[in-house]
Amino acid sequence: GIQVEQSPPDLILQEGANSTLRCNFSDSVNNLQWFHQNPWGQLINLFYIPSGTKQNGRLSATTVATERYSLLYISSSQTTDSGVYFCAVERRENTGGFKTIFGAGTRLFVKA
Amino acid sequence: KAGVTQTPRYLIKTRGQQVTLSCSPISGHRSVSWYQQTPGQGLQFLFEYFSETQRNKGNFPGRFSGRQFSNSRSEMNVSTLELGDSALYLCASRAGTYSPGELFFGEGSRLTVL
Repeated sequence: GIQVEQSPPDLILQEGANSTLRCNFSDSVNNLQWFHQNPWGQLINLFYIPSGTKQNGRLSATTVATERYSLLYISSSQTTDSGVYFCAVERRENTGGFKTIFGAGTRLFVKA
Repeated sequence: KAGVTQTPRYLIKTRGQQVTLSCSPISGHRSVSWYQQTPGQGLQFLFEYFSETQRNKGNFPGRFSGRQFSNSRSEMNVSTLELGDSALYLCASRAGTYSPGELFFGEGSRLTVL
């Protein structure tokens, strides 16, 4: 099956710093999403980005599907950005449905 | 528009018991999928339902089952609970149809097995 690797696994930043999180996947996919998991466990949608570039405030993401990677950029980080960031990919199965595969996540801690 | 709602939020069971978790998708969403999150295995796909039919299944034993009702609400059941079933169970919904579309997650049900 598809393998999803996220890097770095852990990241500590000073407030105000910028960072880049990476997601590599081993095969073609139909869907890619980035999530932020809050302290209570809920996955918050950041980007739905099977290809191309999107921006939302201080966050932006780029997926290069032909090279099988996606990047999440966080600029001017804030303490509230702390948490775990997950990349999830999906591919259509023969059944017509989709199987979601998550990376192991990047744990980010932003120091005040 | 209300988000994905999961109940119960927290529950404690003992080994050998069974548990049923419920998920109400976003209104109009026809696809519901379930995931298990543990510290050791991370986030793993359990199954996906669309129009009351299971379309896809992850690599979990038969003790894990689910179903979807005509109103798109879904339940998952775990029978003969084991300590290793302690986890956060997450449900997600999307509009469905042919294109994948964006997944939206609920707050999860945290299960502890003693």
